[in-house]
Amino acid sequence: AQTVTQSQPEMSVQEAETVTLSCTYDTSESDYYLFWYKQPPSRQMILVIRQEAYKQQNATENRFSVNFQKAAKSFSLKISDSQLGDAAMYFCAYRSFNAGGTSYGKLTFGQGTILTVHP
Amino acid sequence: KAGVTQTPRYLIKTRGQQVTLSCSPISGHRSVSWYQQTPGQGLQFLFEYFSETQRNKGNFPGRFSGRQFSNSRSEMNVSTLELGDSALYLCASSFIVRDSPYEQYFGPGTRLTVT
Repeated sequence: AQTVTQSQPEMSVQEAETVTLSCTYDTSESDYYLFWYKQPPSRQMILVIRQEAYKQQNATENRFSVNFQKAAKSFSLKISDSQLGDAAMYFCAYRSFNAGGTSYGKLTFGQGTILTVHP
Repeated sequence: KAGVTQTPRYLIKTRGQQVTLSCSPISGHRSVSWYQQTPGQGLQFLFEYFSETQRNKGNFPGRFSGRQFSNSRSEMNVSTLELGDSALYLCASSFIVRDSPYEQYFGPGTRLTVT
């Protein structure tokens, strides 16, 4: 079974600064997807960024980028130019790429990191 | 395009009762997954439905069940409620395309409180 670990229960950053959230995972699979989701106080889960394991290039979405280290099974999220609206709980999630398998559609989440942004 | 909707948004039930939660996926999405979120256990996968068939089930007791209708709407049912079932129940839908990451889009959740 796959596991996802977020070792930072809480992080804080000053507005306009950069912060990195850590995530490690354990799997024996070679093909999979990784995601970062954001859950603000409204509790609505919002997809931030995704990474396909077969792609060596790190994904980026505007101010959000990842550092994907497949051999180390590490998937960190960097938020640049932090904004007050970035304050939320961030979850790292794993999904198998197995079009015919039973894990299809299941996300395995980490415990989450609460990000506080100070003005 | 409308997002994932869940009804009701809040629910208070008494221990021993049963409850049914509803989820309407984004138009065109045929896969619906359910998750339970609690402060102690975090986000845990309940089950996934695709084309009216349950394809995967998490490690939850048989009191938790679900179904999907031909229009892809899904319901989950919890029978004989326990205090520990108090949680935020999240539904997520996705569009199934081979070789696509088909990210899951979440609804706002149903907050269930069992007293």
